[in-house]
Amino acid sequence: NAGVTQTPKFRILKIGQSMTLQCAQDMNHNYMYWYRQDPGMGLKLIYYSVGAGITDKGEVPNGYNVSRSTTEDFPLRLELAAPSQTSVYFCASSSTGSPLGYSNQPQHFGDGTRLSIL
Amino acid sequence: AQKITQTQPGMFVQEKEAVTLDCTYDTSDQSYGLFWYKQPSSGEMIFLIYQGSYDEQNATEGRYSLNFQKARKSANLVISASQLGDSAMYFCAMRGSVGSNFGNEKLTFGTGTRLTIIP
Repeated sequence: NAGVTQTPKFRILKIGQSMTLQCAQDMNHNYMYWYRQDPGMGLKLIYYSVGAGITDKGEVPNGYNVSRSTTEDFPLRLELAAPSQTSVYFCASSSTGSPLGYSNQPQHFGDGTRLSIL
Repeated sequence: AQKITQTQPGMFVQEKEAVTLDCTYDTSDQSYGLFWYKQPSSGEMIFLIYQGSYDEQNATEGRYSLNFQKARKSANLVISASQLGDSAMYFCAMRGSVGSNFGNEKLTFGTGTRLTIIP
């Protein structure tokens, strides 16, 4: 039961470095999401994808990029890391649910990547 | 725009007592879903319970139940017979109607309530 797998679990970057946070799901979900969680706060959506080749911005997309070349993978790219990007990053996925109304399908989350920019 | 408000930053409850975690929401959607997630100190997000806006009965899942009052736009989580393992952060979240606007598929989260169970 792999579910949503995120790598790495921890990472320390220097200011200006770049990196890619990996996310993979094995549930054949169409929808995938990237969130960040700052200390003591809720989750804020960075980017999301409704299927391979389709992505869109969330609340806080600046400084990040995503791609979705397959259903399974949804990597998050940080270019020119800044201290403000120090956070815990969560990837999530969900199935389509009802196409005509609200969806009762919960989002399944990975265990998170704790990222520090120094 | 959707908004979730959790007004209790922290709560302390005696073990075996019931506890209610408050959640109010704001949306212009006619159909929507409300979710509660638990985040223990280990950091993972665990789905607890779901309530649809058109569900006539309040959702229940084991010791978790959702006190849904649509007119008041509230969706409070009730945990019965609390246990030490219930100590965690709890997040209320909302998903709007999907339809042709795929952007509504995303979840909007509240800021969370930190629940501490006292032995």
